[in-house]
Amino acid sequence: AQSVTQLDSQVPVFEEAPVELRCNYSSSVSVYLFWYVQYPNQGLQLLLKYLSGSTLVKGINGFEAEFNKSQTSFHLRKPSVHISDTAEYFCAVSASGYSTLTFGKGTMLLVSP
Amino acid sequence: DAGVTQSPTHLIKTRGQQVTLRCSPKSGHDTVSWYQQALGQGPQFIFQYYEEEERQRGNFPDRFSGHQFPNYSSELNVNALLLGDSALYLCASSILRDRIDYGYTFGSGTRLTVV
Repeated sequence: AQSVTQLDSQVPVFEEAPVELRCNYSSSVSVYLFWYVQYPNQGLQLLLKYLSGSTLVKGINGFEAEFNKSQTSFHLRKPSVHISDTAEYFCAVSASGYSTLTFGKGTMLLVSP
Repeated sequence: DAGVTQSPTHLIKTRGQQVTLRCSPKSGHDTVSWYQQALGQGPQFIFQYYEEEERQRGNFPDRFSGHQFPNYSSELNVNALLLGDSALYLCASSILRDRIDYGYTFGSGTRLTVV
């Protein structure tokens, strides 16, 4: 079984500042890793995913994440955030060869002017 | 190109009643998964349908059942509703090929409130 821990339930940051949202996972098998964003009253939108290859993954809206197998982490970063990035961010994992996602509890990113 | 469509968007039911939620997958997708997202929590996997059969199931009671139709659309049924079933129900569609999922597309969800 897999599990995901998002270490921060809420991250406040000022506009144009850098941000890192932390995600750690646990699994006994190889995994695929994902970050999703959820805006209020909406479904989930895929930001980026790691399936294999380069450990630095670039996604939409200027986000990127780095897969660190030894630390079982997949932290999400953005060098400069905008007010419009305010949303809930979910890290998720699936076991290689299967397609069900296990999500963390989410991190609320609050960007203020 | 329409994405994943869910209906209804909001629903209020009384404890003990039954409810049916509907999902039309993104064009070209053949697999439908359902997730429950309680307030303040991440989504939890309920089950997945592929080729009209339940392919995988999460840790949900038998009160939760589903169906997939030949056009790949899907329904989620919940019987004997409990207050704890109040949640956002998300449908996600994908293409399943060689046991590899090429990425979900999520719908906007159905907000179910049980009173």
